[in-house]
Amino acid sequence: KQEVTQIPAALSVPEGENLVLNCSFTDSAIYNLQWFRQDPGKGLTSLLLIQSSQREQTSGRLNASLDKSSGRSTLYIAASQPGDSATYLCAVGGGGADGLTFGKGTHLIIQP
Amino acid sequence: GAVVSQHPSWVICKSGTSVKIECRSLDFQATTMFWYRQFPKQSLMLMATSNEGSKATYEQGVEKDKFLINHASLTLSTLTVTSAHPEDSSFYICSARAGTGLGYEQYFGPGTRLTVT
Repeated sequence: KQEVTQIPAALSVPEGENLVLNCSFTDSAIYNLQWFRQDPGKGLTSLLLIQSSQREQTSGRLNASLDKSSGRSTLYIAASQPGDSATYLCAVGGGGADGLTFGKGTHLIIQP
Repeated sequence: GAVVSQHPSWVICKSGTSVKIECRSLDFQATTMFWYRQFPKQSLMLMATSNEGSKATYEQGVEKDKFLINHASLTLSTLTVTSAHPEDSSFYICSARAGTGLGYEQYFGPGTRLTVT
């Protein structure tokens, strides 16, 4: 059964810093990997989708990488802003499941 | 494009009653829809997968007779929580996938917060 782990569970940094969120998964037979943002009490906002054949995706200040063979992905956030404060979820498709398997998330706080 | 809606956004019901949640893909046809739930301070857990015109496939530990899923059209799936109890209080989120391939992106609805009193 696929398991997704996110480290750290929580992170608090001053505004302007660059930061990295980590995601690992146990079954490398995935079809894709997605990073989401979730604000308190709200639904999911899709940030980046990486297909299994891709190594990375970029959108604005966000860059996500995928190393399928080692079962790892990172989300890099450049020049963090207070508006980036949210919970970031990593989810993988495949690895024995048709739906997505989610990690528990990283709760990020950007201090003004 | 690729918008998924859910209705209602929140609902409060009494223990023992049934609640229906709708999930609609507004601008694409969804061959497959998924239902997830999220308990407080937990991550999302897949409950079931439904393909249009077929019976839903439930994840281990999810009672199919309690959580009834209907996917009668390519744009609508419904989740009915029957005889709801306080432990069913949760955030229910649906997603829809446009293509038949497993690598297609899933688009998520805004979620429905269910509180059972």
